[in-house]
Amino acid sequence: GAGVSQSPSNKVTEKGKDVELRCDPISGHTALYWYRQSLGQGLEFLIYFQGNSAPDRSGLPSDRFSAERTGGSVSTLTIQRTQQEDSAVYLCASSPRGGGMKNEQFFGPGTRLTVL
Amino acid sequence: EDQVTQSPEALRLQEGESSSLNCSYTVSGLRGLFWYRQDPGKGPEFLFTLYSAGEEKEKERLKATLTKKESFLHITAPKPEDSATYLCAVILYNQGGKLIFGQGTELSVKP
Repeated sequence: GAGVSQSPSNKVTEKGKDVELRCDPISGHTALYWYRQSLGQGLEFLIYFQGNSAPDRSGLPSDRFSAERTGGSVSTLTIQRTQQEDSAVYLCASSPRGGGMKNEQFFGPGTRLTVL
Repeated sequence: EDQVTQSPEALRLQEGESSSLNCSYTVSGLRGLFWYRQDPGKGPEFLFTLYSAGEEKEKERLKATLTKKESFLHITAPKPEDSATYLCAVILYNQGGKLIFGQGTELSVKP
């Protein structure tokens, strides 16, 4: 079946502009995660959605970052007033359920964001 | 502070030369440990989940093991196509579903 898809695959923007990154999880997966992978750094957790529960936003680095998940499926990560330090690969993952056993997370290909 | 450390950072092997990658963790309340493989320009690909000390999982030339302090990813008779970055991550109790990742080990296997 189809895996996690993300769009766009690459995004180049100018400092100060807003960007939106999209994630389509695997059908039927109730949990969705966003991570960031910066050059020379490991994957860094950003935000986690599980069903209808309030999302865990504890990893968002600043109030310029926000995310939504509509209808329990597609998610959008929005970065406002982008800064050069926001340049990274943004990865989305989904899992059949969140927080419990068999919590294998399946990742999309990522969106490479470059802020000039 | 919860921490995951992988070693070595980079490993170069000849084809057929077996070796091991290490993932040590200092965390409160380990729920599970995951191994992923990441090829350049792609997202991480799930390999294994380990939940309790003494557990082992195998897949082709890879075997993952878990103790109370660390996990090993053993690679037996590697091939060039095993070249990739291998990532270790943990999931903790009372932390929802988020994964805490190590920095990864970049493996290069030369023919």
